[in-house]
Amino acid sequence: DAGVTQSPTHLIKTRGQQVTLRCSPKSGHDTVSWYQQALGQGPQFIFQYYEEEERQRGNFPDRFSGHQFPNYSSELNVNALLLGDSALYLCASSRPQGPSETQYFGPGTRLLVL
Amino acid sequence: GDSVTQMEGPVTLSEEAFLTINCTYTATGYPSLFWYVQYPGEGLQLLLKATKADDKGSNKGFEATYRKETTSFHLEKGSVQVSDSAVYFCALRSAANFGNEKLTFGTGTRLTIIP
Repeated sequence: DAGVTQSPTHLIKTRGQQVTLRCSPKSGHDTVSWYQQALGQGPQFIFQYYEEEERQRGNFPDRFSGHQFPNYSSELNVNALLLGDSALYLCASSRPQGPSETQYFGPGTRLLVL
Repeated sequence: GDSVTQMEGPVTLSEEAFLTINCTYTATGYPSLFWYVQYPGEGLQLLLKATKADDKGSNKGFEATYRKETTSFHLEKGSVQVSDSAVYFCALRSAANFGNEKLTFGTGTRLTIIP
């Protein structure tokens, strides 16, 4: 059973560019959440997708957008990159069955903005 | 809003020592509580969880008890190994309503075990 997969593993961009990160959820999961983890910090919630709609959003600007496809995979897009966007971006998948449902994380995409 | 406060690190222990990493939280209602572990260069792995007061989560020798009266979820292990060296994150998920499923994390505690 494949777990959560993310691509690419590493990415280098320059300020002002745009980036797209991809995530495939664990088999049987239909909900995808994205988190940003700055160096030395805990992950911060960006947003969550369920049934191809953004269901919940954290405190991130509109430069951060996403999409969920019919097969439940998801993309995270970041426009007009800033140096401060350099971080590990984590995708997590789950089933929406209540507060005790576990979110399973992928290995992350490490983004460096120069 | 929801928040998680973790014991500041880094923590360095000798092999076979007893481990405690403190975690306290602020949330409305009865959140679910989690400990995740992050090994170098990897994503987060669920270590254990508890979903109601007085529940004890356990896995791989680690334990944590959901204490509603002290709003705490401290992580413990009786005898640590070098392979336990990692960063540990305490997290909560609000029980407010269906669809409010974001995890709120602490800042993490880096643990290093010396042989």
